[in-house]
Amino acid sequence: DAKTTQPTSMDCAEGRAANLPCNHSTISGNEYVYWYRQIHSQGPQYIIHGLKNNETNEMASLIITEDRKSSTLILPHATLRDTAVYYCIVRSTGANNLFFGTGTRLTVIP
Amino acid sequence: ETGVTQTPRHLVMGMTNKKSLKCEQHLGHNAMYWYKQSAKKPLELMFVYSLEERVENNSVPSRFSPECPNSSHLFLHLHTLQPEDSALYLCASSQAYLGTEAFFGQGTRLTVV
Repeated sequence: DAKTTQPTSMDCAEGRAANLPCNHSTISGNEYVYWYRQIHSQGPQYIIHGLKNNETNEMASLIITEDRKSSTLILPHATLRDTAVYYCIVRSTGANNLFFGTGTRLTVIP
Repeated sequence: ETGVTQTPRHLVMGMTNKKSLKCEQHLGHNAMYWYKQSAKKPLELMFVYSLEERVENNSVPSRFSPECPNSSHLFLHLHTLQPEDSALYLCASSQAYLGTEAFFGQGTRLTVV
């Protein structure tokens, strides 16, 4: 599976949009981009995934660049409960494992 | 609430004890996983079961023994553990073995003393 690069940490003001970037320049054609988050002392939580089109669900939006080498997870109105480590994962349909890496620690500030 | 339940949430055990971690899902998923998360390290996949058969065992010491009696339940039996085995043990399930998103339990925080 392709490697991803994320900033170590980010801050975001409560109520503002949180934009979390991820670079995956070696992504191949059959690899999806997945996002999970892990709130302190809890299990990871699935957020969203996509292949090449932008995706939106009740939690977040995923914007994938046209060349698919990077993506951005957008939390439109961050709340204090969104403080967590966010993991960007690239994974093919034939892969069973999710390699979580070290993720981005997002802190939402009141 | 993800639909994946782990018990106990916290466990302290001595190095000579035998204990078991339990995971239960009623999502109708066919694949179940054990992950280990040590402090400041990425999640490590330990075992994968698909349709109740073990399909992966990622070089895990034999002091960890998984069991999958049916598609809804997964156990991790522990014996003669070491202090370095202290970690958060996470169970996950997914609809299929390959290529679908996984849903995680809350984890069991294990401390070996």
